[in-house]
Amino acid sequence: GNSVTQMEGPVTLSEEAFLTINCTYTATGYPSLFWYVQYPGEGLQLLLKATKADDKGSNKGFEATYRKETTSFHLEKGSVQVSDSAVYFCALSGAGAGSYQLTFGKGTKLSVIP
Amino acid sequence: DADVTQTPRNRITKTGKRIMLECSQTKGHDRMYWYRQDPGLGLRLIYYSFDVKDINKGEISDGYSVSRQAQAKFSLSLESAIPNQTALYFCATSDAGQGATDTQYFGPGTRLTVL
Repeated sequence: GNSVTQMEGPVTLSEEAFLTINCTYTATGYPSLFWYVQYPGEGLQLLLKATKADDKGSNKGFEATYRKETTSFHLEKGSVQVSDSAVYFCALSGAGAGSYQLTFGKGTKLSVIP
Repeated sequence: DADVTQTPRNRITKTGKRIMLECSQTKGHDRMYWYRQDPGLGLRLIYYSFDVKDINKGEISDGYSVSRQAQAKFSLSLESAIPNQTALYFCATSDAGQGATDTQYFGPGTRLTVL
């Protein structure tokens, strides 16, 4: 079946540091890949997505590239801010039981300190 | 106003009680979902519905039931709550027809504690 593995946290960075959160996946066919973010006390919201190999998703300074050869979708940001402190979830949408469902990784908590 | 709302936001109940969590959406989406979130486990799908007459079990449906009262409303019930159902529950919606590129839109969550 489909699965998503992302690096375990928590991750603590200083403001303006470079961020990488690793995500790899297992899926049949051609899934779409997503990063969702959950700010404290809130629901998940879509951060970025990529729907085919070599696509790059980007939003709010975050980027991730769909790498089919390494089955990866790593999240990066060049300079994090305190406001980026949140839990980040990698997810894939793949065919299952005739329909598309999201499979999530376990989440990575990021804390950015001033 | 929020596009996806959940009530209640917090609930504490006792083992054996029946609990209903409600979800409403104003996005006009056909598809609705219920997830639970547990620390260190991410989100897991409980049930999903592609329209009012199409309801399907997800990964962890045992102990739960759902009702799709209208396009905009999707309720989750715990017939006899047990402590290991203590979790954060999220409702989500998506538009039909986009297939694997669907973006799901999440409500703010309901924190349920079963004593």
